[in-house]
This record gives sequence, C-alpha cells and structure tokens, in this order.
Amino acid sequence: EVQLLQSGGGLTQPGGSLRLSCGASGFIFNIYTMAWVRQAPGKGPEWVSTIYSDYRTSYADSVRGRFTISRDNSKYSLSLQMDSLRAEDTAVYYCAQRVEGTFRSWGQGTLVTVSS
Amino acid sequence: DTVLTQSPGTLSLSPGERATLSCRASQSVNANYFGWYQQKPGQAPRLLIYSTSYRATGIPDRFSGSGSGADFTLTISRLEPEDFAMYYCQQYGDLRVTFGQGTRVEIK
Repeated sequence: EVQLLQSGGGLTQPGGSLRLSCGASGFIFNIYTMAWVRQAPGKGPEWVSTIYSDYRTSYADSVRGRFTISRDNSKYSLSLQMDSLRAEDTAVYYCAQRVEGTFRSWGQGTLVTVSS
Repeated sequence: DTVLTQSPGTLSLSPGERATLSCRASQSVNANYFGWYQQKPGQAPRLLIYSTSYRATGIPDRFSGSGSGADFTLTISRLEPEDFAMYYCQQYGDLRVTFGQGTRVEIK
C-alpha cells in the first residue's frame, strides 16, 4: 500500500521560511515523479512543484525562486524548502505521487500559515 | 498555462440521479494526461479517473470519464450518498499542471 506521510509546516511571519517533508513507502520511490500541490482555504488545488526521477524540477510561477523541491531516494523522502513566504502562500500543502499526468496518491496534508 | 473551466459550479441532485460534470480547456490537452478528482471536507483529493477514461484503483464503475481535445466529461451514473462532494479536473502539459475551479455536487 502506498503511503505518503507528511511533516513540517506551521505558522511563520511574512518573509520567513519553513520546510516540509514527505516520507514515502509501499512503492519504488526513485522511479516516480513526485510533486507538491497546495490548497488555499476555500479554493481548489494549485500545483506548486514537481521533481522527476532524474532530479529535474519545475515550479509554478508563483513560487519560482522562493521554493526549492528536493528528493532523497536513499531515504524515500521528498522535501519542499519554502523561503520568503508571503500571506498568499497560506494553504494546506500536499505531497503527491504523479503517474503520467495525474496524481495517484496523496499525503495527508499539512497546514502552512503565513501571518504577522 | 492551460485554463480549465468547470461547469456547472454547483449541481443539485438526488441520490440515484445521474450527474454530468463538464471541464473545458483553454486549448487542446493531451488526453493521456487528464484526470478527475473527488474531494470531501478535510480530506486530500482522491484520484477517480486518469488518462481521461480509466478508473483509478478501487473506484466504482458508476464513475466514467470521456472527452478529447478541449472538452471532457465526468459522469456518475447513479449518485450514492457518499458521492456528494467537490470534483476537480486536472491536466498536465509543458511541464505544468493546472486544475479546474471545481464543481460541487450537493444533495437536492
């Protein structure tokens, strides 16, 4: 059974930093594309970033230059370093396993709140 | 970015009725990279349909997807009480992912 267990998140002030982590199990982590998707309160999901099995990355325009996605295949772990956070980054963040173009499995979500 | 527009915004139906949800893209999308999700309050989205018409593991056969080009449809043949939820379409192309704004299926 695929499991994605998230940690990190919380409350920070504008301009602050947070790091999210996602531990994977139940599948061969290193061959899959992984991603972060967020959902602001009352809004639909919004793609944030993707990391491919060959470590190539892509980012939404709204976070490029501020967020960094990474993976540690030896630890079956995915991370998202979030710097220069803004109020509009407030959302529940999900890690997700991407298969072809869709997100097959999702983590439980973690709340990030950016507020002074 | 490819914009996905879902309609209607809200669908009010009774259990046992048929639900038809639409998703229209601002440009043609790759049908192999198109899917639908169900989301209930406080839960992560759940993949229902991938590659336009294939049901994800464990999804009942009352859910079906169709479409091509820029027009896609999710059909729920007979609504069960657990199907009342939010539904989102999603596409991947040019290294980017976009979601629709959602359709709420509510009990009439």
